[in-house]
Amino acid sequence: AQSVTQLDSHVSVSEGTPVLLRCNYSSSYSPSLFWYVQHPNKGLQLLLKYTSAATLVKGINGFEAEFKKSETSFHLTKPSAHMSDAAEYFCVVSGWSGNTGKLIFGQGTTLQVKP
Amino acid sequence: GAVVSQHPSRVICKSGTSVKIECRSLDFQATTMFWYRQFPKQSLMLMATSNEGSKATYEQGVEKDKFLINHASLTLSTLTVTSAHPEDSSFYICSVGEVGGNSPLHFGNGTRLTVT
Repeated sequence: AQSVTQLDSHVSVSEGTPVLLRCNYSSSYSPSLFWYVQHPNKGLQLLLKYTSAATLVKGINGFEAEFKKSETSFHLTKPSAHMSDAAEYFCVVSGWSGNTGKLIFGQGTTLQVKP
Repeated sequence: GAVVSQHPSRVICKSGTSVKIECRSLDFQATTMFWYRQFPKQSLMLMATSNEGSKATYEQGVEKDKFLINHASLTLSTLTVTSAHPEDSSFYICSVGEVGGNSPLHFGNGTRLTVT
């Protein structure tokens, strides 16, 4: 079975400072992992995905995440936060039901960016 | 550009009426689409997997007679909330997978349903 835990429900940073959103996963096999961002009343936008290639994954808008198998982690980082980064972020692991892929969502982390 | 188009973005209806939400795949033919529900301040919950030309697969606890899914073409899936009640008020999001794949990756902008 697959599961994902986002360790912080709320993260607050100042504009221009680094961002760290933490995610741990559990999977009985090599997982595919994703980070999505959701702005208020909007759908989800894919930031990046890991699918067993390079462990350091670069995404859009300056975000990146590192897959660490030994720590079962997939933390999302950005060197310098921008006001427009304020949103809800979801760490997601892929699962399977029959032959159909399913995404299993973490509970989400609200990122607040202060001026 | 957008890969998935979802309509309407917002709908208000009276209790007891039915509401239809459309999800269109714009860039490719999607044999599989997914419907999610999101309550305020909560994560997304998969409701059902929509399969073109066959019956949808519902997750445990989701009433198939209440949430009717039709996937009549490779680019369109619809979710109909029948006899809506205030507790059905939520944010509904559809998604489609990559070409040739069957995992959801691209999401619509969602539909905010309010039942009065």
